Amino acid sequence: GAVVSQHPSRVICKSGTSVKIECRSLDFQATTMFWYRQFPKKSLMLMATSNEGSKATYEQGVEKDKFLINHASLTLSTLTVTSAHPEDSSFYICSAAHWSSYNEQFFGPGTRLTVL
Amino acid sequence: AQSVTQLDSQVPVFEEAPVELRCNYSSSVSVYLFWYVQYPNQGLQLLLKYLSGSTLVKGINGFEAEFNKSQTSFHLRKPSVHISDTAEYFCAVRQSTGTASKLTFGTGTRLQVTL
Repeated sequence: GAVVSQHPSRVICKSGTSVKIECRSLDFQATTMFWYRQFPKKSLMLMATSNEGSKATYEQGVEKDKFLINHASLTLSTLTVTSAHPEDSSFYICSAAHWSSYNEQFFGPGTRLTVL
Repeated sequence: AQSVTQLDSQVPVFEEAPVELRCNYSSSVSVYLFWYVQYPNQGLQLLLKYLSGSTLVKGINGFEAEFNKSQTSFHLRKPSVHISDTAEYFCAVRQSTGTASKLTFGTGTRLQVTL
């Protein structure tokens, strides 16, 4: 399958700062990228869907001004957690897909965010 | 809207024993079905998927699943597990009609394989 990377794998930041997480599809053109949040011992919660060159579509209850998503190219999407607080600490996972086959979604390894 | 139920949050099993991880779904439209595995601190890896055709689907690492439309189930099975199968397993569905792209996940089942 295709390879999706995330950077950084772990990040610790102070409360009130912003953190950017990158998601890259290394060997295919990802027209669509998904951002998930996973709480301990919980399922993945879809935060938003982003199509390359368009504004992201956020799921109900997700603050779009807090979780800024950019998908400017077919190989890169970024999630910026603005003014992070301890309750934003979580495991963030992205997945990438091409519009021709949403049944083939390739997941990144995840980013562990800890806000102090 | 769709929903996925994984009733077993944890399944302990001895090595070389068979295992079944249960998944039931609810949907007002036809769906595609998936099983993913997640190893500690890693992303998800696709085990297998059902799109159409034979209801018995074989995946990687010796896993298989059977789609049962009447029971709205998609249980995952393996005849003989290994220590290395210890991981979190997620069942997921995606609407098969229209252009909807998102996956809906169950809450996961922790498979713990011991000697």
